[in-house]
Amino acid sequence: DPKIIQKPKYLVAVTGSEKILICEQYLGHNAMYWYRQSAKKPLEFMFSYSYQKLMDNQTASSRFQPQSSKKNHLDLQITALKPDDSATYFCASSQGHSNTGQLYFGEGSKLTVL
Amino acid sequence: AQSVTQPDARVTVSEGASLQLRCKYSYSATPYLFWYVQYPRQGLQMLLKYYSGDPVVQGVNGFEAEFSKSDSSFHLRKASVHWSDSAVYFCAVSATSGGNYKPTFGKGTSLVVHP
Repeated sequence: DPKIIQKPKYLVAVTGSEKILICEQYLGHNAMYWYRQSAKKPLEFMFSYSYQKLMDNQTASSRFQPQSSKKNHLDLQITALKPDDSATYFCASSQGHSNTGQLYFGEGSKLTVL
Repeated sequence: AQSVTQPDARVTVSEGASLQLRCKYSYSATPYLFWYVQYPRQGLQMLLKYYSGDPVVQGVNGFEAEFSKSDSSFHLRKASVHWSDSAVYFCAVSATSGGNYKPTFGKGTSLVVHP
C-alpha cells in the first residue's frame, strides 16, 4: 500500500483557475516536501516543512501556497494557473528535516493547464 | 550551493550488459550523495546513499556506486542489467553544513534496456 498518498493523480485545469493538490503521508515522518517535475526542467525543489513549519521556500511565485493542517498533511494550493504550471508535482517526506535522510516520494499529481 | 551534473540524458544497453551511469557533483566539501530511480508513472525511490567510509556503496537490486573525491563523482554501476531496470535514474546531493538540507537532483538519465 502506498505510504504517501497524493490526490488527484491527474488533473486538467483552465488558465486562471485554482487547484489544490493533496498529500498525506503515513510513515510517521516529521518533514514533508514538494517537488515539481516538468519536461523543461529537472526535478525542482519547491518547499520543505518540518513539524508543520515552513523551513525552505524556493518558489518565486506567491501563487503557490503550501498548507499543513496536520503533521502528516502538506497540501499545495496553486492559484491563477498558467500553462507553464503544467508539470507533475511530487510530495515527499523524511524522518527529519536533515540532509542525511532518505526522501520518500508519492506517485505524483500530473497537472495540465490549458 | 551544491549542484549535480548527469551528462548522459539517455543510455541504451542490451540485457545482460554492464552499466555505468555518470554523476558529477559540485560542493566545497564531501557532500551526502544519493541515487534515486523513477519507474514509469511512479515516484522516486532511493537506490543507495553515501555519507562516508568505503567509497563503494551497495544498493538494492545489484546496484552499486563509487564515490571519488578527486574526481567529484558518484557513478552508478551494475554488472548485468535486466529489462526491468529500464527507468530514469537521478543522482542527488545534500550539503553537510550551512542549513541548506534539501537534496539537489540532477536532470536524470533515462536507461533503456533492450531484451
